[in-house]
Amino acid sequence: GESVGLHLPTLSVQEGDNSIINCAYSNSASDYFIWYKQESGKGPQFIIDIRSNMDKRQGQRVTVLLNKTVKHLSLQIAATQPGDSAVYFCAEKMEYGNKLVFGAGTILRVKS
Amino acid sequence: GAVVSQHPSRVICKSGTSVKIECRSLDFQATTMFWYRQFPKQSLMLMATSNEGSKATYEQGVEKDKFLINHASLTLSTLTVTSAHPEDSSFYICSARGTAFSILPQETQYFGPGTRLLVL
Repeated sequence: GESVGLHLPTLSVQEGDNSIINCAYSNSASDYFIWYKQESGKGPQFIIDIRSNMDKRQGQRVTVLLNKTVKHLSLQIAATQPGDSAVYFCAEKMEYGNKLVFGAGTILRVKS
Repeated sequence: GAVVSQHPSRVICKSGTSVKIECRSLDFQATTMFWYRQFPKQSLMLMATSNEGSKATYEQGVEKDKFLINHASLTLSTLTVTSAHPEDSSFYICSARGTAFSILPQETQYFGPGTRLLVL
């Protein structure tokens, strides 16, 4: 079923520090993962993706790490800025599946 | 690239009326679009998967006669909330996925900005 979070965890970081947002995914058959950023009142914005045949992928200021052994996904944001404040969702897609399953989300608050 | 628009962004309606929300992929063709609902401080809940030219596939517990979905072209899907009631008030978000012939990764979903529905 779909993941629904009633109390989103919050990560507070100081501006300029690095942020690490974690996600435990549910299905060992998932082969594709995405991180989305959602600002208040807006739709999710694609940040970075990774396939299951990789364990690390880097983008601009962001890195996604995948540990299939423990079904764990993380998003690292370097030099966090106030504009990074948002809710971050991980999503997984099962192999041969058609839809994404979303995690509960994590609130990132950046303190200036 | 990969821009998805939704219209309207906000709508307030009276109980019992129907509301139509449009989702368009602006710079790519999307054989598959998805409709989600999101409550405050919660994750996205998939309502249905919309395939161009065929009937939508609804998730368990979603009433297909209440949430009508039409995907008439490769760039447009509509969600109609029929006989809306206050409990239908929510944030509705669509997403689109590129076709097999697109340069976009087929699995990646790109989201619209969402539509805030308030039923009085």
